[in-house]
Amino acid sequence: GENVEQHPSTLSVQEGDSAVIKCTYSDSASNYFPWYKQELGKRPQLIIDIRSNVGEKKDQRIAVTLNKTAKHFSLHITETQPEDSAVYFCAASIIQGAQKLVFGQGTRLTINP
Amino acid sequence: GAGVSQSPSNKVTEKGKDVELRCDPISGHTALYWYRQSLGQGLEFLIYFQGNSAPDKSGLPSDRFSAERTGGSVSTLTIQRTQQEDSAVYLCASSEMAGFFRDQYFGPGTRLLVL
Repeated sequence: GENVEQHPSTLSVQEGDSAVIKCTYSDSASNYFPWYKQELGKRPQLIIDIRSNVGEKKDQRIAVTLNKTAKHFSLHITETQPEDSAVYFCAASIIQGAQKLVFGQGTRLTINP
Repeated sequence: GAGVSQSPSNKVTEKGKDVELRCDPISGHTALYWYRQSLGQGLEFLIYFQGNSAPDKSGLPSDRFSAERTGGSVSTLTIQRTQQEDSAVYLCASSEMAGFFRDQYFGPGTRLLVL
């Protein structure tokens, strides 16, 4: 089945700098890749997603890139702010009669003021 | 409208007891998912419901776990004879329609502690 690996597990950056989180997946049939942000004690919330017919998608300070050949996708956050501190999860969707998301292990991002 | 709700928010139980966790999806959402999140870990898929189709139970870790969805809306996740390793946050999510990459909206979760 699908396996999603996420790196790094923890990331600390200075406020204003950029942060990059990378994920790889194993199932070449996967074609939907969302990113979720989970603040401490709160529910995961979708922040951006990308589908396999595009290579890059941007929403303000957040961008996601996808390389289907290499089976990896990345989250880029520019001009980081303290409120970006959270755990970020990547996921990949496989179609087996259902949209079953397989999640990475998460990256704890800390923005240092 | 209201988001996904779950109850109870916290549950402490003794090893060997049965527990029931409830999820109320967003009105009109036909797809409902259950995930488990252990401390400091990612989200583990448990089970998925879509309309009247047979649920995808491939993620349930053992036969002590079961779930049902009545009337295509509310879902209950039942854990029988709980074990300490069942301690985790159980998250429910719903989406408008499966198979078309609809966004999944998560509930606040039920934090289960098995003593």
